[in-house]
Amino acid sequence: AQTVTQSQPEMSVQEAETVTLSCTYDTSESDYYLFWYKQPPSRQMILVIRQEAYKQQNATENRFSVNFQKAAKSFSLKISDSQLGDAAMYFCAYRSPGIQGAQKLVFGQGTRLTINP
Amino acid sequence: DSGVTQTPKHLITATGQRVTLRCSPRSGDLSVYWYQQSLDQGLQFLIQYYNGEERAKGNILERFSAQQFPDLHSELNLSSLELGDSALYFCASSSWDTKPAGYTFGSGTRLTVV
Repeated sequence: AQTVTQSQPEMSVQEAETVTLSCTYDTSESDYYLFWYKQPPSRQMILVIRQEAYKQQNATENRFSVNFQKAAKSFSLKISDSQLGDAAMYFCAYRSPGIQGAQKLVFGQGTRLTINP
Repeated sequence: DSGVTQTPKHLITATGQRVTLRCSPRSGDLSVYWYQQSLDQGLQFLIQYYNGEERAKGNILERFSAQQFPDLHSELNLSSLELGDSALYFCASSSWDTKPAGYTFGSGTRLTVV
């Protein structure tokens, strides 16, 4: 079974600085998808960024980018120019390839990010 | 509004009782997933339905059951509730296609068992 590990329970960064959140996963599959979700105090789950394993190019979304290392099974999230609104719990998630009906997300335990003004 | 509707938003009930959580998926999405999030924990997958049929099962207790109706809304039934069942229960939906689309989450139902 696939597992996702986030080794940093908590991280903090100064406003406007850059922070990197780590995620590793374990799988025997070659094609899969990876996600980062943000959960602010409202507890809503918000998709931040996603990466297809077959793509070598790292995904970017504005101030958010990933460093996808397939061989190392590593998927880190970099947040540039951190803003107070980035404070949240961040979850890394894994999705198996497109087997019909078997596409659940497997989540890591999360990293709580604090932004210091 | 994410497009996934969960009701109720909050629920307080006593131990031993039974509750039903409801989820309406985003329009056009055939798959519904239920997740449990205990305090400061990650999301644990409970169960998935696709177009009315159960497709995947996670660590769902025997006291819990779910179904998806012809109109695609889903209900999660929790019975013989225990204090440890207090958690945030999320529903998510996704469309069945090969695009690596993400999942749309509802705002959750916060269940408190007293």
